[in-house]
Amino acid sequence: DVHLVESGGALVQPGESLSLSCTASGFSFGDYWMVWVRQAPGQRPEWVATINPDGSQTYYLDALRGRFVVSRENAKNSLFLQMHSLRPDDSGVYFCVRDWGNWGQGTPVSVSS
Amino acid sequence: DIVMTQTPLSLSVTPGQSASISCRSSQSLLHSDGRTYLYWHLQKPGQPPQLLIYEVSKRASGVSERFSGGVSGTDFTLKINRVEAEDVGVYYCMQSIKNPITFGQGTRLEIK
Repeated sequence: DVHLVESGGALVQPGESLSLSCTASGFSFGDYWMVWVRQAPGQRPEWVATINPDGSQTYYLDALRGRFVVSRENAKNSLFLQMHSLRPDDSGVYFCVRDWGNWGQGTPVSVSS
Repeated sequence: DIVMTQTPLSLSVTPGQSASISCRSSQSLLHSDGRTYLYWHLQKPGQPPQLLIYEVSKRASGVSERFSGGVSGTDFTLKINRVEAEDVGVYYCMQSIKNPITFGQGTRLEIK
């Protein structure tokens, strides 16, 4: 079974940085495009970033480009999201997703002073 | 950006009755590869979204045959036959033909 487990979410202050991880199991991680999606409380999901199987291509929501960086380490079946200069509106649950049919449970990020 | 507009935003259905949710995209979702990149997800309370339908009308693995998807132009429809209590949650349409990938506002389904 495909299993995706996010970690690293925390309460941080505005302007700080945070790194999220997603550990994958149950499939050949290095063969798949991976996606980060976030969801603020009571809001629709919002696409954040996509990365291709070898990590050579990345795509971002325009508003996040330059502050967020997606990367992966296929040898460790891991996906990462580095977030910088965090703002209160970056708060929400961050999910890693494969193929739109497999979502992790998410990790919560709260940006507040 | 492609705007996805869902109607209605909420729905109250008697068990056993049918329900229908519409989603209109601001641009065509038909790719040159012949596929139409429209998805339907259901988010149950306290859970991540789960895929119901991909490419307009293909049911995801394990999804009940009570769920079906269709299209007319850029108007997409999710139909739920014989609604059950377990169908409660928020339904989202989503397009992935073009970045940024975008979701509809969501349709909340409740049981009468």
